[in-house]
Amino acid sequence: SQKIEQNSEALNIQEGKTATLTCNYTNYSPAYLQWYRQDPGRGPVFLLLIRENEKEKRKERLKVTFDTTLKQSLFHITASQPADSATYLCALEGTGGYNKLIFGAGTRLAVHP
Amino acid sequence: EPEVTQTPSHQVTQMGQEVILRCVPISNHLYFYWYRQILGQKVEFLVSFYNNEISEKSEIFDDQFSVERPDGSNFTLKIRSTKLEDSAMYFCASSVGLRNEQYFGPGTRLTVT
Repeated sequence: SQKIEQNSEALNIQEGKTATLTCNYTNYSPAYLQWYRQDPGRGPVFLLLIRENEKEKRKERLKVTFDTTLKQSLFHITASQPADSATYLCALEGTGGYNKLIFGAGTRLAVHP
Repeated sequence: EPEVTQTPSHQVTQMGQEVILRCVPISNHLYFYWYRQILGQKVEFLVSFYNNEISEKSEIFDDQFSVERPDGSNFTLKIRSTKLEDSAMYFCASSVGLRNEQYFGPGTRLTVT
């Protein structure tokens, strides 16, 4: 079955540095991958979607890469700010073709001033 | 900016009771979903809905669950006879098409006592 792995440990970084989060997956070749932000007690907020034929996507301070050979996506936040502190979720298209998303457990990011 | 809304924000019910969770997806979206997140766990797919019928459902979505789009704007999830293990955050999401980003609502926290 599909498996998604994200760093379970929290990532602590200093304000202004670049945060890099990893999403690895096995047993599947998804057509796309999405990244979401989730704050405690709130719903996931869509950040970026990258398709299998795209190597990299950017939006403001965010960048995502998708390596279908390594079965890995990297999510970068440049010039990080304390307001970026949250849990970041990786989600893959599930099998079936009807947009079912399979989520990773998420990585908690803490940006310290 | 259009957003997915959900009501109520918190629902407390007794075991064995029926609950209906309500969602208003983004107006031009065609695909609708329910996910749930048990406290401290991953976001899990329950069901997807398109063209007034279920497209796909997970193993969690058993006979106790049903979904409906009773009019042009609402999308509901009904749990017929709630169990303690149904306690979770329930998120509604919608997308404009297949393989597009999904937008999530703020969630309904369901507590079954």
